[in-house]
Amino acid sequence: QKEVEQDPGPLSVPEGAIVSLNCTYSNSAFQYFMWYRQYSRKGPELLMYTYSSGNKEDGRFTAQVDKSSKYISLFIRDSQPSDSATYLCAMSEGSGYSTLTFGKGTMLLVSP
Amino acid sequence: DAGITQSPRYKITETGRQVTLMCHQTWSHSYMFWYRQDLGHGLRLIYYSAAADITDKGEVPDGYVVSRSKTENFPLTLESATRSQTSVYFCASAASLTYEQYFGPGTRLTVT
Repeated sequence: QKEVEQDPGPLSVPEGAIVSLNCTYSNSAFQYFMWYRQYSRKGPELLMYTYSSGNKEDGRFTAQVDKSSKYISLFIRDSQPSDSATYLCAMSEGSGYSTLTFGKGTMLLVSP
Repeated sequence: DAGITQSPRYKITETGRQVTLMCHQTWSHSYMFWYRQDLGHGLRLIYYSAAADITDKGEVPDGYVVSRSKTENFPLTLESATRSQTSVYFCASAASLTYEQYFGPGTRLTVT
């Protein structure tokens, strides 16, 4: 079992839809959770950063962490064609030697 | 301009040749990272550095060499390139291991 699982997609939705992107993980020591967005032929850029459990909202984006289920989600409201990208989850234990573990990414396609 | 840059952006080399990929950041971040991104594998950490002259192996270090004589630079060298090292290479930097990582635009390397 991989440490972080993420459905590769593609996930195709019409403009204006609510999108739910998810990752599951097996390491209960993960405490820091991030979502990166990667456009084609570009480097990943940080979208959301959360610590421990709970929700965090930033504009149309909401990140949710459920540590009891080892499950994190990114919700995108009123999706736009410009949201079409690959979304990578990443997580870390937060210890002095703990690097980020990435999911493989979910490709999202938002059609006009 | 502040940020993180990589050079070259595209490189074609032959099997057995040595090639060096450059990474430069202007934030004075302590940590720098090298990843490779391949279809089906996602982002995999090659090496990282906590400070000048301090480097450590990641998930896939074989065949790569790094050095960090200055905080702002973190070159990655393929001593004898192989076709399996054909990939997109991303450099990233962060203030600490638990802080968000900022990625460069990537170097697309082809080994023929």
